[in-house]
Amino acid sequence: QVQLVESGGGVVQPGRSLRLSCAASGFTFSSYGIHWVRQAPGKGLEWVAVISYNGNDKFYADSVKGRFTISRDNSKKTLFLQMNSLTPEDTAVYYCAKGDSPGVSGGMEVWGQGTTVTVSS
Amino acid sequence: SSELTQAPSVSVSPGQTARITCSGNGLPKQYAYWYQQKPGQAPVLVINKDTERPSGIPERFSGSSSGTTVTLTISGVQAEDEADYYCQSADSRGIHVFFGGGTKLTVL
Repeated sequence: QVQLVESGGGVVQPGRSLRLSCAASGFTFSSYGIHWVRQAPGKGLEWVAVISYNGNDKFYADSVKGRFTISRDNSKKTLFLQMNSLTPEDTAVYYCAKGDSPGVSGGMEVWGQGTTVTVSS
Repeated sequence: SSELTQAPSVSVSPGQTARITCSGNGLPKQYAYWYQQKPGQAPVLVINKDTERPSGIPERFSGSSSGTTVTLTISGVQAEDEADYYCQSADSRGIHVFFGGGTKLTVL
C-alpha cells in the first residue's frame, strides 16, 4: 500500500539547521508531486512547500521562503526538507503528503505520520 | 485571495446531518479538498476536487460547491466522525496551497 515515512525531526536550537526525510513506498514515486505540511502544537495545518515529480518546480510558503529547501531523490524514493535558520515558530509536526498529479497543484492523497521538530534553546 | 474561512466548531447528534462550510474568493476558480484529522493522527483526504469521494471513504461523506463556498456534508453522523476537518485550495495559479483554519466536529 502507499506509505510515506518521515524522519529527521528532533530538538534544535534557534538559528540551527535540520534536514527532514520522507521515504516513500507502494507507488511510483517519480510520477507525483510531493508536499510538506506542518502543524504547530494545538494549531491548524500550514502548507510549507511542494516539489514536482521531476524536481524542476518548487514552491514555498512565504513563512519559510529563503530558509527551507525542498528536494527529492527519485532513485531512492525519498523527499527532503532542508531547514535553516530555524526559529521557535517553526516548532511543529511536519508531514509529507503525496500529491494527486505530477505537478505542484491539486490535493494530497496520502500523508505520512509526521515527524516532530522542536526549536528551543 | 488566499484566505479560506471555516467556522471553528460544529456540533450534531448521532444520525443527524453535519454541514461544514469553507468560504474563499478563489474557490470558484480552484478546486477544494477536505481532510479529516483525528487527535494524534495524520490528516486523511475525504473529498477530492470539490465533490469526489476517494476510494475507501464512506458514502455518508459528500462535497458540494456554490460560488465562493464549498460544503462538506456528513449524512447520518457517527461517533467515529468526531474530528477536525480542514478545507484546502490554492491560489489562482494553482501553485501556493492554503488551508482553512479547521472545524472541530463534535458528535453529541
